Amino acid sequence: DAGVIQSPRHEVTEMGQEVTLRCKPISGHNSLFWYRQTMMRGLELLIYFNNNVPIDDSGMPEDRFSAKMPNASFSTLKIQPSEPRDSAVYFCASSFQAATSGGRAETQYFGPGTRLLVL
Amino acid sequence: AQKVTQAQTEISVVEKEDVTLDCVYETRDTTYYLFWYKQPPSGELVFLIRRNSFDEQNEISGRYSWNFQKSTSSFNFTITASQVVDSAVYFCALTLNNAGNMLTFGGGTRLMVKP
Repeated sequence: DAGVIQSPRHEVTEMGQEVTLRCKPISGHNSLFWYRQTMMRGLELLIYFNNNVPIDDSGMPEDRFSAKMPNASFSTLKIQPSEPRDSAVYFCASSFQAATSGGRAETQYFGPGTRLLVL
Repeated sequence: AQKVTQAQTEISVVEKEDVTLDCVYETRDTTYYLFWYKQPPSGELVFLIRRNSFDEQNEISGRYSWNFQKSTSSFNFTITASQVVDSAVYFCALTLNNAGNMLTFGGGTRLMVKP
């Protein structure tokens, strides 16, 4: 089975440009997470969706960041306009959360990440 | 709020040595889940283990073993007879029941295994 797929794997852009990162979760998973990894802040959750609905976006740094999940098999994270401090590795992860699980945490499986460099 | 601390930022061992990576967590909740992930030099995050707060049994998987102790809020990870391929950054993470799976990660421990 395919794991979480992210594209592009690497992105180099200039400050002020729009950047769109893409994620395809594991088929059948209904929760999707976007994380950012930097040397200074480590791994931090930006936003997560359950059944395509954004549940918690408190980790989104500012209005320049937006995320969408138009269907169960696709999500985007957009940065507009990008700034050098947005340079990081962005990970997408997915899991399956059963409605009857009583809130039990399920394992998240991560994609390979997108390494973003904003010049 | 919950917190995960991995006090060892970097460990260097020689191949075949045993090594233990420490993880200490803080939470007021009684139901929670702990995870370990491995990040090799290629960059991806690989799931290793999940443990819930009601299961304090230690677990062994090949050369890997995990020691969960609620009394000290620790979930330590031991690699026996380390190999060069074990070189990676290892992350411990915590989530709460009914928290939507939101993971709180520790800062990670970089393990370097030298031949």
